[in-house]
Amino acid sequence: DAKTTQPNSMESNEEEPVHLPCNHSTISGTDYIHWYRQLPSQGPEYVIHGLTSNVNNRMASLAIAEDRKSSTLILHRATLRDAAVYYCILRDNWAGNTPLVFGKGTRLSVIA
Amino acid sequence: GAVVSQHPSRVICKSGTSVKIECRSLDFQATTMFWYRQFPKQSLMLMATSNEGSKATYEQGVEKDKFLINHASLTLSTLTVTSAHPEDSSFYICSARDDSTSGGNNEQFFGPGTRLTVL
Repeated sequence: DAKTTQPNSMESNEEEPVHLPCNHSTISGTDYIHWYRQLPSQGPEYVIHGLTSNVNNRMASLAIAEDRKSSTLILHRATLRDAAVYYCILRDNWAGNTPLVFGKGTRLSVIA
Repeated sequence: GAVVSQHPSRVICKSGTSVKIECRSLDFQATTMFWYRQFPKQSLMLMATSNEGSKATYEQGVEKDKFLINHASLTLSTLTVTSAHPEDSSFYICSARDDSTSGGNNEQFFGPGTRLTVL
């Protein structure tokens, strides 16, 4: 899977929007962009994924650059429960049942 | 979404003992399950891929004789840490995908993790 680059940490005030960036300049045409997050002392959980178009779900929005070399996970109103490590991971559509490979992710702190 | 459970959630043991961790897919079948390990303030590291009915595939640097994996059914994989030592203390997480889905856009489900402390 292609590599991604994320800031080590970010901070946000509660109830404000948060934009978590991810660079993936070597992305291939068949790579999906996945976001997972890991709350303290828990296993990771799925957040959102996309291929080319922007995506919205109940948890977040995913904005994908036109050239697909970067993407941004948007939390519209951060809450204290959103404090977690967020991982941006590329996964090839033809990867079969291979495991996700985690980078260092971005540790999001939310201030009340 | 689909649920993956792990048991126990936390275990403390003496050095030299063996510890078994169970991972179950509760509402889907998983021919393949994955085991990760996570040390404090670090990311998840893949240890091995568990295959139902066959031998597990271990990542480089992971001792297969120390971390025994058994995938006896389509819903259960176990990881046994044999002769555990303090350096094996870590957060162990299992994961799986639903056999009925495929492709790079399918979700990988994670268990809640097992925190192992070896005294």
